[in-house]
Amino acid sequence: DAGVIQSPRHEVTEMGQEVTLRCKLISGHNSLFWYRQTMMRGLELLIYFNNNVPIDDSGMPEDRFSAKMPNASFSTLKIQPSEPRDSAVYFCASRRDGPNEKLFFGSGTQLSVL
Amino acid sequence: DAKTTQPNSMESNEEEPVHLPCNHSTISGTDYIHWYRQLPSQGPEYVIHGLTSNVNNRMASLAIAEDRKSSTLILHRATLRDAAVYYCIRFYGGATNKLIFGTGTLLAVQP
Repeated sequence: DAGVIQSPRHEVTEMGQEVTLRCKLISGHNSLFWYRQTMMRGLELLIYFNNNVPIDDSGMPEDRFSAKMPNASFSTLKIQPSEPRDSAVYFCASRRDGPNEKLFFGSGTQLSVL
Repeated sequence: DAKTTQPNSMESNEEEPVHLPCNHSTISGTDYIHWYRQLPSQGPEYVIHGLTSNVNNRMASLAIAEDRKSSTLILHRATLRDAAVYYCIRFYGGATNKLIFGTGTLLAVQP
């Protein structure tokens, strides 16, 4: 199994541009989590899905952020328009349901908004 | 709200055991205790988890207090590769349960 795959690994963009981050879940996993990590705020949960349905998006900073799961194995996190304060490492993670199931993280996308 | 409390940082010497504490005094009866660690420039990775009994795996041991209000992650012989941030998380495991990470403990391992 290839694990959780995120793309791109690095993204540098200018303020005001649209940014799309991508995540491929591990096959058979049905929960998907998007996290953002900065030095100041640590690892923050932005949104999570279960069976393609958004369950809790209370961590999404503002309307500029949106996330989708068009199918069971793929998710996108979009920022439009991007701002310098969005610069961070964005992780997605997936798992199966159940208390004994582990959470598997991708390698993250390092986003820099200039 | 992570609802767990960990020391910000700890130090250990290589080849010595390390005990990383976690306080989860408001834990409910159905919450599991999960531990993850994040190596530099990587995403977090699973270490170990448990409910009531102590647990062992190839990476570490987890000692859970009898009242379940605290737990300790034990690395039996620390290596330089164990230098990481260690996160303790309460986790119900249901489909609608959020996995919220606290600030974790930064473990430094000295040669």
